[in-house]
Amino acid sequence: NAGVTQTPKFQVLKTGQSMTLQCAQDMNHEYMSWYRQDPGMGLRLIHYSVGAGITDQGEVPNGYNVSRSTTEDFPLRLLSAAPSQTSVYFCASSLTTPGAGIYEQYFGPGTRLTVT
Amino acid sequence: AQSVTQPDIHITVSEGASLELRCNYSYGATPYLFWYVQSPGQGLQLLLKYFSGDTLVQGIKGFEAEFKRSQSSFNLRKPSVHWSDAAEYFCAVDDYKLSFGAGTTVTVRA
Repeated sequence: NAGVTQTPKFQVLKTGQSMTLQCAQDMNHEYMSWYRQDPGMGLRLIHYSVGAGITDQGEVPNGYNVSRSTTEDFPLRLLSAAPSQTSVYFCASSLTTPGAGIYEQYFGPGTRLTVT
Repeated sequence: AQSVTQPDIHITVSEGASLELRCNYSYGATPYLFWYVQSPGQGLQLLLKYFSGDTLVQGIKGFEAEFKRSQSSFNLRKPSVHWSDAAEYFCAVDDYKLSFGAGTTVTVRA
């Protein structure tokens, strides 16, 4: 198993540009999520999905869109990049949803995004 | 809403010495608790987790954590630190979403 993969590893955008961060998992996990990591703030949940066709907002969703057309893929779209979106983005997946019992999130290696 | 506090932003420890990282949570019921480690430039790896039962939990890489309900704490320990333990450590609580503390950076000196 490749686990959770993310592309690209690094990206530089200009303010106002759009792009999609890719995330895929090959573990047949139902739950997938996107986090951003900023210094001194830990990881904050952007969006999550409990299965194909179902997505919901997390703690910091503004400026981001997601979709889940397949179990494997969960792309994150930046609609109009802003310097405040400079961050490291992590995708994660788990077999079950949080709070549903024993579960563990598996994290991808991250995408470092800089918006100038 | 639940919250997780890691009081120590940065800890420096000598190789071979013991390590303890603090984690306090605010949550009404018995939470599901986790410790993750992030090596430089890497994603997060689960060290250990607590759901119920024995309050002393063993994890990978020689780490253990103790859940203390009376103190709302879930501190991480390692008896003898190796240079490869230099990393950032995150405590997290599960309340239908995973909430992370701000992290503790561990530096290991020779």
